[in-house]
Amino acid sequence: AQSVAQPEDQVNVAEGNPLTVKCTYSVSGNPYLFWYVQYPNRGLQFLLKYITGDNLVKGSYGFEAEFNKSQTSFHLKKPSALVSDSALYFCAVTVPTYSSASKIIFGSGTRLSIRP
Amino acid sequence: DSGVTQTPKHLITATGQRVTLRCSPRSGDLSVYWYQQSLDQGLQFLIQYYNGEERAKGNILERFSAQQFPDLHSELNLSSLELGDSALYFCASSVGGGTSGNTIYFGEGSWLTVV
Repeated sequence: AQSVAQPEDQVNVAEGNPLTVKCTYSVSGNPYLFWYVQYPNRGLQFLLKYITGDNLVKGSYGFEAEFNKSQTSFHLKKPSALVSDSALYFCAVTVPTYSSASKIIFGSGTRLSIRP
Repeated sequence: DSGVTQTPKHLITATGQRVTLRCSPRSGDLSVYWYQQSLDQGLQFLIQYYNGEERAKGNILERFSAQQFPDLHSELNLSSLELGDSALYFCASSVGGGTSGNTIYFGEGSWLTVV
């Protein structure tokens, strides 16, 4: 069964410093990986995804993520954190299928707190 | 704005009652997904429909049911409600299903409070 883990419930970073939010996955086959962000009382917003190709994926708001197949990881990164980046971040995984079924599984979420 | 519309935004109801949550997917999207988000269990996948037919099932209780109509909107029916059903229910949609890594886009959610 496929699964995704976000080992840190909370990450605290000072504004201007680089940030990393960790994600590891377990699937049979090649994964599709996603990052979403959720601001308070809002729905999830898509940040970026890895399907195939370049292991470094760039997304919205200056975020990027690196796919590492050997470590089965897809960590979210940003070179310089902003206070406005404070939110709940979800990693998600699915695998390609030859049907229209798509059981995208989300991690438990990591709360990112950026202090001024 | 993701283009996925959910109604109602907030709902308060009593235990034992039944409610219906409605979702309109983004224009052109054939897949609709339902997720439940609670404080202690994170984001739980409930069910997926594709072009009117059920395609994938997650941790959906037997008291819950869903359907997707010919115009592609979807409804999630929650019956015999319990206090533990209080949660934020998300609908999401995507163009296709699982074959090509389509991005799924989320609505703003329906807050259900069972009292």
